[in-house]
Amino acid sequence: DGGITQSPKYLFRKEGQNVTLSCEQNLNHDAMYWYRQDPGQGLRLIYYSQIVNDFQKGDIAEGYSVSREKKESFPLTVTSAQKNPTAFYLCASSARDRGYNEQFFGPGTRLTVL
Amino acid sequence: GQNIDQPTEMTATEGAIVQINCTYQTSGFNGLFWYQQHAGEAPTFLSYNVLDGLEEKGRFSSFLSRSKGYSYLLLKELQMKDSASYLCAVHSSGGSYIPTFGRGTSLIVHP
Repeated sequence: DGGITQSPKYLFRKEGQNVTLSCEQNLNHDAMYWYRQDPGQGLRLIYYSQIVNDFQKGDIAEGYSVSREKKESFPLTVTSAQKNPTAFYLCASSARDRGYNEQFFGPGTRLTVL
Repeated sequence: GQNIDQPTEMTATEGAIVQINCTYQTSGFNGLFWYQQHAGEAPTFLSYNVLDGLEEKGRFSSFLSRSKGYSYLLLKELQMKDSASYLCAVHSSGGSYIPTFGRGTSLIVHP
């Protein structure tokens, strides 16, 4: 079955530690996205990538980093520079030949920094 | 910049009809989307409107008026499982095809 996987579903880290969230898709989609969701805030874009080895900052990129070495993988690192990292993180992908119209989302990772 | 507004919360009764509104202001327009998100889960795609008018898909319909910067999602024959957050998202024109999401409308369906 095609889809997007994110792991782990729940993640706990101590303040000051970097942590990497994984996102893998086997939909052969060109574009991948990372969003952060806080209560009452909707989805806010952190980074996106439309081709391999290229990515762009979204609205709230500070304190985060990404890489896109393979088409199917788009890991997100939450660094110690991110002031309020506790949140629900969603990865998504979309297809260029469909105009990037419909986004498919992974199940999300809930990160709690203690 | 872009601005998307939708009500924070709505309540309705099982079996009834509910309309969730979304207004937007964007620099160019390239489509409007509705997603459903149950608590703690990923959003799932419901509908896409790029031309004016009504798109119907079973119990769900979505309407768009580009001149008014307005859309609504209509849910008929409400079921308890429809209790969820409904997200409105807009693609602006310009080539990046990055959607901007509204804050979502939390719908609570009562028996």
